[in-house]
Amino acid sequence: DSGVTQTPKHLITATGQRVTLRCSPRSGDLSVYWYQQSLDQGLQFLIQYYNGEERAKGNILERFSAQQFPDLHSELNLSSLELGDSALYFCASSPIDRAAYNSPLHFGNGTRLTVT
Amino acid sequence: SQKIEQNSEALNIQEGKTATLTCNYTNYSPAYLQWYRQDPGRGPVFLLLIRENEKEKRKERLKVTFDTTLKQSLFHITASQPADSATYLCALGQRGGGNKLTFGTGTQLKVEL
Repeated sequence: DSGVTQTPKHLITATGQRVTLRCSPRSGDLSVYWYQQSLDQGLQFLIQYYNGEERAKGNILERFSAQQFPDLHSELNLSSLELGDSALYFCASSPIDRAAYNSPLHFGNGTRLTVT
Repeated sequence: SQKIEQNSEALNIQEGKTATLTCNYTNYSPAYLQWYRQDPGRGPVFLLLIRENEKEKRKERLKVTFDTTLKQSLFHITASQPADSATYLCALGQRGGGNKLTFGTGTQLKVEL
């Protein structure tokens, strides 16, 4: 068990809808990372937060947004959903603000999003 | 363009043999490289980290090498077991690249009895 909790595990929704994915990092970890994994793209970095502030951005669509709250949990909001947004969404956490020499990422087990 | 390439085809080996997985990269200057294991429906699990100034790291039956001249990392599992069957991902942390890890697409390993 990585200590990272993601909810819900599965989400089925229709095109055009909006969903919120939630992540609770490991106890003591200040950084939260969001990744998208689809069959043809592998794990793609979306965004990182450290102690409530955005630290790094990847190929995150404008329809997607995230935030980290004072209790350090994070939410990823996906809006105007398209069929191509169907994927596994992973959250990971680490103690510090960079994936540094001694700081591997600890991943949750993901939220599987299916857009119909 | 930047690329991280891992064997796209599944690697099938016999129990007890050594599995060797390859990670090649282009147009990156990684400060370090990490290897993760991912089982179906689960999140990746960290295995090993190696820095750019290190040639080799070991942990139990696992060994990783890092050749910045060849732009390649090799990941070895000795005395492989069926329980080692999974997808293995390499990930680069780039010097000056900010806070993200960039992952390869992974190699599926199957260890047969």
